[in-house]
Amino acid sequence: ILNVEQSPQSLHVQEGDSTNFTCSFPSSNFYALHWYRWETAKSPEALFVMTLNGDEKKKGRISATLNTKEGYSYLYIKGSQPEDSATYLCAFIGGSYIPTFGRGTSLIVHP
Amino acid sequence: KAGVTQTPRYLIKTRGQQVTLSCSPISGHRSVSWYQQTPGQGLQFLFEYFSETQRNKGNFPGRFSGRQFSNSRSEMNVSTLELGDSALYLCASSAYKGEETQYFGPGTRLLVL
Repeated sequence: ILNVEQSPQSLHVQEGDSTNFTCSFPSSNFYALHWYRWETAKSPEALFVMTLNGDEKKKGRISATLNTKEGYSYLYIKGSQPEDSATYLCAFIGGSYIPTFGRGTSLIVHP
Repeated sequence: KAGVTQTPRYLIKTRGQQVTLSCSPISGHRSVSWYQQTPGQGLQFLFEYFSETQRNKGNFPGRFSGRQFSNSRSEMNVSTLELGDSALYLCASSAYKGEETQYFGPGTRLLVL
């Protein structure tokens, strides 16, 4: 069973704060790492697909980095807004091509 | 383009019954994956279908099965329902492979009494 850990489990920040969270995954047999945002009562929405060590992706105020050698990815949100409130999930894909999801980081941004 | 659709959205069944859930992928997408979301286990992969063939299967008992039709629509079947099968079942489609960006449907919430 693959171990994909996300930390912290939950996070409360004030509007305008910048924040980041971590996804840890096995450092061997890496194929891809996906980040999703899942808002309450909606479907998970793909944010990034990361495939190369050193990858850095950016989408507006959200960015992500990847270190496959040490098995972690960071997701950063700059200047958090209330609409950023959601659960952020990462999914590790290894040689079996089966996605293994972390339990997610629940972010709440207070106005 | 229309998104991924799932039917029904809500379902109540009793133990021992069977259930079939349906998923229509985004037009042109050929891969459909199914996931189970429970509070205790998080989001877990059930199986992936591509071009009517099961490409990958997660660690679930044989009571969970699926199929894909020539138009890429997929169905998932759970036989002999157990209380622990109560969950949100999500399907996701991608253009070719489940390892690519996946687009999720709204889910079917199943309650087993």
